[in-house]
Amino acid sequence: AQSVTQLDSQVPVFEEAPVELRCNYSSSVSVYLFWYVQYPNQGLQLLLKYLSGSTLVKGINGFEAEFNKSQTSFHLRKPSVHISDTAEYFCAVTLTPHAGGTSYGKLTFGQGTILTVHP
Amino acid sequence: NAGVTQTPKFQVLKTGQSMTLQCAQDMNHEYMSWYRQDPGMGLRLIHYSVGAGITDQGEVPNGYNVSRSTTEDFPLRLLSAAPSQTSVYFCASSGPYNSPLHFGNGTRLTVT
Repeated sequence: AQSVTQLDSQVPVFEEAPVELRCNYSSSVSVYLFWYVQYPNQGLQLLLKYLSGSTLVKGINGFEAEFNKSQTSFHLRKPSVHISDTAEYFCAVTLTPHAGGTSYGKLTFGQGTILTVHP
Repeated sequence: NAGVTQTPKFQVLKTGQSMTLQCAQDMNHEYMSWYRQDPGMGLRLIHYSVGAGITDQGEVPNGYNVSRSTTEDFPLRLLSAAPSQTSVYFCASSGPYNSPLHFGNGTRLTVT
């Protein structure tokens, strides 16, 4: 079975500073990787996803993530954060169709990282 | 476009009571699922459905039942509520494999 570890439970950062949220995964078969964001009292929204191809994936709101197969990582980055980026971020994986996956919906999530941007 | 609608938003139950969390989507998605979110544990899959009449267990199914009689609706039933079921519950849906997962806004459940 696959698993996801988000290495930081909380990340405080000042506005306009760069940020990296770390995610490592474990799987014996091929997976797709995702980052979701959850604003207070809301559901989750998709930030970006890695399916195949270029290992650098760009998402919404200026975020990007890099898939590193050798290190089994999928870290999320933003070069300059805003107050509005304050939220909880979740890394998630699902099996590829080749590995027996049936849907993007059957995700395994990490524990979440709370990003707090200070003025 | 409403997307995924969950009701109620908040609920307080006493131990042993039963209730149904409602979930409806208007996007004609085949795939629907229920997750629970607990602090420090991320989201964990309770049950999921790949189409009307088809359901299966996720990671933490004990104490919950589901059914899928229509494409639109996927209710989650708590048979006999326990304090360990205090959580925030999210319903989600998705279309074909290359489409993202859409989440509802959640139901915050407290069991006393």
